[in-house]
Amino acid sequence: NAGVTQTPKFQVLKTGQSMTLQCAQDMNHEYMSWYRQDPGMGLRLIHYSVGAGITDQGEVPNGYNVSRSTTEDFPLRLLSAAPSQTSVYFCASSTEETQYFGPGTRLLVL
Amino acid sequence: LAKTTQPISMDSYEGQEVNITCSHNNIATNDYITWYQQFPSQGPRFIIQGYKTKVTNEVASLFIPADRKSSTLSLPRVSLSDTAVYYCLVGYLKAAGNKLTFGGGTRVLVKP
Repeated sequence: NAGVTQTPKFQVLKTGQSMTLQCAQDMNHEYMSWYRQDPGMGLRLIHYSVGAGITDQGEVPNGYNVSRSTTEDFPLRLLSAAPSQTSVYFCASSTEETQYFGPGTRLLVL
Repeated sequence: LAKTTQPISMDSYEGQEVNITCSHNNIATNDYITWYQQFPSQGPRFIIQGYKTKVTNEVASLFIPADRKSSTLSLPRVSLSDTAVYYCLVGYLKAAGNKLTFGGGTRVLVKP
């Protein structure tokens, strides 16, 4: 039981490039979420999903897309990276009450 | 949204008890109170969750008064490894994921 896994651990992008941050969970949770955390700050919700095929926007969705084709996977896509998207990204998998977080992906956009 | 207010930082010494209070005046009837611990460069780790009164597990206790407008996380006999940021969250995921809001957290520094 690996819990929540995220890849890559670290990524450097140039402005305008696209990429996908991967997130997978093996706990059969219906709920999954993506957060970003800027230095010295708390986590802010980007997008979330309450089940396969169902996604919705969180607090800071602009510049990010998500999809949920399976219960296990919830990828986050940056279509055209900007320096303002430099951050640490955390994926979470949840029961109805409790979230469990992955180890994070550190993204640097130059 | 249930906004939370926590102290920005707290210092303590090894072996002492640390109590962190979180205010959440507009908590909703269905909302749970959850505390997370986060070390640098790691994802938040679930510590404890409660709805009312007192909850205790192997690492912490959570005290919630009858009006539920605040809660207190108690860490007994802290060690250096308890130095971290602690977040209080109020909400109920099933209702809507975006009802969960992370505040700035409380930076706890445990000194030898």
